Amino acid sequence: EADIYQTPRYLVIGTGKKITLECSQTMGHDKMYWYQQDPGMELHLIHYSYGVNSTEKGDLSSESTVSRIRTEHFPLTLESARPSHTSQYLCASSDSTRGRETQYFGPGTRLLVL
Amino acid sequence: DQQVKQNSPSLSVQEGRISILNCDYTNSMFDYFLWYKKYPAEGPTFLISISSIKDKNEDGRFTVFLNKSAKHLSLHIVPSQPGDSAVYFCAAGYSGAGSYQLTFGKGTKLSVIP
Repeated sequence: EADIYQTPRYLVIGTGKKITLECSQTMGHDKMYWYQQDPGMELHLIHYSYGVNSTEKGDLSSESTVSRIRTEHFPLTLESARPSHTSQYLCASSDSTRGRETQYFGPGTRLLVL
Repeated sequence: DQQVKQNSPSLSVQEGRISILNCDYTNSMFDYFLWYKKYPAEGPTFLISISSIKDKNEDGRFTVFLNKSAKHLSLHIVPSQPGDSAVYFCAAGYSGAGSYQLTFGKGTKLSVIP
């Protein structure tokens, strides 16, 4: 099972601020993902990476950006936070050694933009 | 258009009885399926998965059944315990070349009553 960490766990911030949500995993997984989830709704993929220097946008349009300079680190940045960005952000990494992708999730960051 | 549907937003079950959570999918390309459990303010935890070449997979109290012709899968928890109270997400993926993404349902909130 993956060890995957997210900081901060909770963040309350004012409109217009720049924020970076951190995600790190210690299992050496090549693939990493960012999801956004609102209560009662499905997880929506907003960004993914299949390896260092690889980043792609997911199904749900997002104003955030990501980078993947190191295998273990996949931070997400919002240049100018807005109330519409209020949500839970979940980071995951996946293991394909068994021929099927199993994604393992971090504890999430709950973001509130005032 | 939702490709993975969990039509029951909530389910209540008495402790010790069986919990059955259902999931339907529309995309015939999906060839593996996963169940995740999520507590409030935490990330989803991987529970169990099944490949489309099987119709059943069992792990302790958790069993997943797959009916490919009906595009339906279910998670059985026997016996149910109060600690099982959480939101359960069904997810589906396909192992086509270069594709590692999962599609999630909206989740079913399970309440196990002592």
